[in-house]
Parts: sequence; C-alpha cells; structure tokens
Amino acid sequence: GESVGLHLPTLSVQEGDNSIINCAYSNSASDYFIWYKQESGKGPQFIIDIRSNMDKRQGQRVTVLLNKTVKHLSLQIAATQPGDSAVYFCAELVTGGFKTIFGAGTRLFVKA
Amino acid sequence: DSGVTQTPKHLITATGQRVTLRCSPRSGDLSVYWYQQSLDQGLQFLIQYYNGEERAKGNILERFSAQQFPDLHSELNLSSLELGDSALYFCASSPEGLGGAITGELFFGEGSRLTVL
Repeated sequence: GESVGLHLPTLSVQEGDNSIINCAYSNSASDYFIWYKQESGKGPQFIIDIRSNMDKRQGQRVTVLLNKTVKHLSLQIAATQPGDSAVYFCAELVTGGFKTIFGAGTRLFVKA
Repeated sequence: DSGVTQTPKHLITATGQRVTLRCSPRSGDLSVYWYQQSLDQGLQFLIQYYNGEERAKGNILERFSAQQFPDLHSELNLSSLELGDSALYFCASSPEGLGGAITGELFFGEGSRLTVL
C-alpha cells in the first residue's frame, strides 16, 4: 500500500540529547528521499533531503543517513530542543515519477 | 507560510453528506497533490493533478473525486460521507520537471480538518 496505516511510534528524548529517527523505505527504485517535520495543526515541512548517490548529508543540526542495501534511512537531530517536538516522516520518490510515498511517521517528544 | 492555501480549515458534517475542499497551489506550481491523514496516522496519497490533468492516483475511494481548474486551483469532492472519512486532508504543490514529474519537495498547506458525525 501507499503509506502504512499504523498508529505512530513515539520517541521520547531529553532536551540537549541527540535523537535518531529511523525509517524503512519500500521501493528499491526510489532514488530521492526527504524528511519532513509536521508540527501539531500544521502541514508537513521539508527538513532535509538526500539522493541515492549519497550515503550521508548534513544540515543545520540534522543529518540524514541512507543505507540502500537494507533500504533504511535515519534522521539524526543534534542537541534536541523542545521546538523539535513533532511528527517526522520519511518520504521516497523515483526521480521522473509522479508520487511521493510517505512512511508511517515517528512522534518525537522532547522533555525539558 | 508554504504559499499553499486550503479552505475551509475546519468542517463538520453528517454521514451521507457531500463536501468540497479547496486548494490553491503556490504561485508558479502546476501540480497539486491531495493526501489524507487520519488521526495519528501517516499520509495517504490520494491523487495528483498536473496542469488540469490527472497524473497519478493513489488509494482514493470511488466516493471521492478531484479536479484542477484552468487557474490551477483544485477541489477535492467527498460524497456519501462515512464516519471513517473524518481526517485531515492536505493539499501540496511542487515545482515540476518535464511532464509534471516530481523533482523535489512538496509544499503543503495547513490542511482541512473534516469531522463526520
């Protein structure tokens, strides 16, 4: 199916700690991956992306790792802050295709 | 602000009724995507339009339909509503490559929350 209909897994971290959010993608042909952040009551927003010719990409406080062998993505957030509390989705697409497929999402709680 | 506008923000209606959700994409974007998000669940792709034409279809029920108008705004029509249709409905737009193919991130509106009683 397109997106898994499961209740969201939750990750709870202490403010200042690093967070790691994992995602398994489904299509071996996917060559472009994006992490989105969805705050309560808002639409998803782009955080960082990575193409399949890369294993790692760094942004400001965020790093995405891609393991194509096992079809796994992770999002690392350094020095997690209360403002990072949100639901995080990975998304996959095939360049030249027409659909972006979202993973199930992970809810991140940051404890002050 | 993503530049994508959705109306209404909230809608409460009864089973069996029909509603229309509206979306205006970012200026210059020709594609519009519709997603459904049920409570505490992921984003389910429904349908995509590119420059007025249906381009891709996901798990969209037959009771649902959409269209994109010449001014590029889109409407999602939900009919014979059931309790299970209660959800957030998101519209997104994106800059496209050749033929409407996706080239990057989607820009999402703030969603229309539909409650069916």
